[in-house]
Amino acid sequence: DTEVTQTPKHLVMGMTNKKSLKCEQHMGHRAMYWYKQKAKKPPELMFVYSYEKLSINESVPSRFSPECPNSSLLNLHLHALQPEDSALYLCASSQDIGPGGEEQYFGPGTRLTVT
Amino acid sequence: GQNIDQPTEMTATEGAIVQINCTYQTSGFNGLFWYQQHAGEAPTFLSYNVLDGLEEKGRFSSFLSRSKGYSYLLLKELQMKDSASYLCAVRGWDNYGQNFVFGPGTRLSVLP
Repeated sequence: DTEVTQTPKHLVMGMTNKKSLKCEQHMGHRAMYWYKQKAKKPPELMFVYSYEKLSINESVPSRFSPECPNSSLLNLHLHALQPEDSALYLCASSQDIGPGGEEQYFGPGTRLTVT
Repeated sequence: GQNIDQPTEMTATEGAIVQINCTYQTSGFNGLFWYQQHAGEAPTFLSYNVLDGLEEKGRFSSFLSRSKGYSYLLLKELQMKDSASYLCAVRGWDNYGQNFVFGPGTRLSVLP
């Protein structure tokens, strides 16, 4: 199983809503990532969890709150978002973040629209 | 921080060979990756280089020169399905610790 799954596929939310994005992998990977991708731009790294601990936080606004309940699951909690936060949110996982290949497997993404 | 540069767009003909260049500046270089992304889809891994030289994988090869901050992805026997964006990504270190940054991507169009 080399699949990373993400739910929901699409999400429309208002600026006062609270919602969560979910990501799951069953490859035994110990590193999981959240990226944000705007149209015709490359993915931008938001957070990295390694062994269920937050390893990298790219100074993302606090209205985005990551959570890693266990080694297979990664959530991104959203609260009081702005219209400019509308984007494709990609989850990825890799075996580790240490030296080596660390090929990242990406999920299909959640397309988020903030109204 | 990191600075990564790639050509914005390239066009090539089916069956030809194309080379996509990537130049980067980073501190604490710890690997360079190439990903392919079709429109509306997630990126998929193509190759990884951490030492100088050429890595070959079927129709795809990737080259790295750490001293020059330069990499290229070589695609041989181009097929129509190779039309996609090709993203160079660099892992390095900055003041906040380890990071992983994608370049702007090169949009490749393969013509019949």
